[in-house]
Amino acid sequence: GENVEQHPSTLSVQEGDSAVIKCTYSDSASNYFPWYKQELGKGPQLIIDIRSNVGEKKDQRIAVTLNKTAKHFSLHITETQPEDSAVYFCAASRGGGSQGNLIFGKGTKLSVKP
Amino acid sequence: DAGVIQSPRHEVTEMGQEVTLRCKPISGHNSLFWYRQTMMRGLELLIYFNNNVPIDDSGMPEDRFSAKMPNASFSTLKIQPSEPRDSAVYFCASNTQDTQYFGPGTRLTVL
Repeated sequence: GENVEQHPSTLSVQEGDSAVIKCTYSDSASNYFPWYKQELGKGPQLIIDIRSNVGEKKDQRIAVTLNKTAKHFSLHITETQPEDSAVYFCAASRGGGSQGNLIFGKGTKLSVKP
Repeated sequence: DAGVIQSPRHEVTEMGQEVTLRCKPISGHNSLFWYRQTMMRGLELLIYFNNNVPIDDSGMPEDRFSAKMPNASFSTLKIQPSEPRDSAVYFCASNTQDTQYFGPGTRLTVL
């Protein structure tokens, strides 16, 4: 069935370094790719998203890239800070008019060491 | 906007008891999703509604789980009878187009 693979499952970086999280998806009809950040004890919060008609999108220190041919998309965080420590989830829309239904990756636990 | 509201935030119950989780979606959103999150299985979609109608309940683990959406501003997820393996965090999310907005979740512990 449709799925989203996310790597790595854990990532540890030094403050100020960059962090990259990668996802692949299987549903060719997917056209919307959001990224969520989940802090301890809270629900996932949308941090950035990208649609299939765009290859890259940036918002301050975070950026997302999309390669539709390869069915890959990635999250890039530059100049990481301790408050970036959280679990990050990628997701892809299910095709076929499924009213906003998303397929989520398993998550990446990012630790930023001061 | 208050965002998606869930209650209770924490629930501790004994095996065999009925549990009801509640969700109020963001006003104007027409789709509502129930998820379960555990360390082992990650985020699992249980069921989702569109315009108050259940569209896909294939993720509901078994007949002990049921969900309703009697109107556009309220949904419930019920577990009867509850079992220890149901212990997890349950999230409700709503959307109007593509983007889902999550509530704070209900942490359920079944002893």
